[in-house]
Amino acid sequence: NAGVTQTPKFRILKIGQSMTLQCAQDMNHNYMYWYRQDPGMGLKLIYYSVGAGITDKGEVPNGYNVSRSTTEDFPLRLELAAPSQTSVYFCASTLPPGTTFSFGSGTRLTVV
Amino acid sequence: DAKTTQPPSMDCAEGRAANLPCNHSTISGNEYVYWYRQIHSQGPQYIIHGLKNNETNEMASLIITEDRKSSTLILPHATLRDTAVYYCIVDTNAGKSTFGDGTTLTVKP
Repeated sequence: NAGVTQTPKFRILKIGQSMTLQCAQDMNHNYMYWYRQDPGMGLKLIYYSVGAGITDKGEVPNGYNVSRSTTEDFPLRLELAAPSQTSVYFCASTLPPGTTFSFGSGTRLTVV
Repeated sequence: DAKTTQPPSMDCAEGRAANLPCNHSTISGNEYVYWYRQIHSQGPQYIIHGLKNNETNEMASLIITEDRKSSTLILPHATLRDTAVYYCIVDTNAGKSTFGDGTTLTVKP
């Protein structure tokens, strides 16, 4: 198993550009998550999904969109990138509660 | 959602036990307590979890108070490689798991 795979690992965007951060897992996990981590800070939940076709907002959803058309994939879309979205983005997955998170290695995004 | 409170930072001498506290006074009866750690900018790594009873694995021990309102993660013999940010989270069962800012543990020689 590859676990949770995130692409790209690094990206520089210009203000106003858009991009999609990809996340895929091969563990048949129902629950998937997107977190962002600003320098020196903890993880903030952006969006999460408890299954294909179901998504919900986390703590900091503004400026982002997600979709969950399959169990395996959970892409995060940034529309009109802003400098405030400069951060490290982590994708995670888990089976229903009582099991543990598996995290991807992160995407480091800089908006200039 | 149950919230957790952790001290922002702690120090520990190498070879000594590191005891990291976490308060979760609003925890529900069916919610688990999980501990993760994050080294540098890597993705968080699972350490241990528990519901009511104390738990131990090869990495750490978890002590949960009888009223379940707080817990302590114990690293029995801390090494320099245990320097990391440690997160205590409570699983909500609804899928919305929040991490907070964690405790930065610095192990000193």
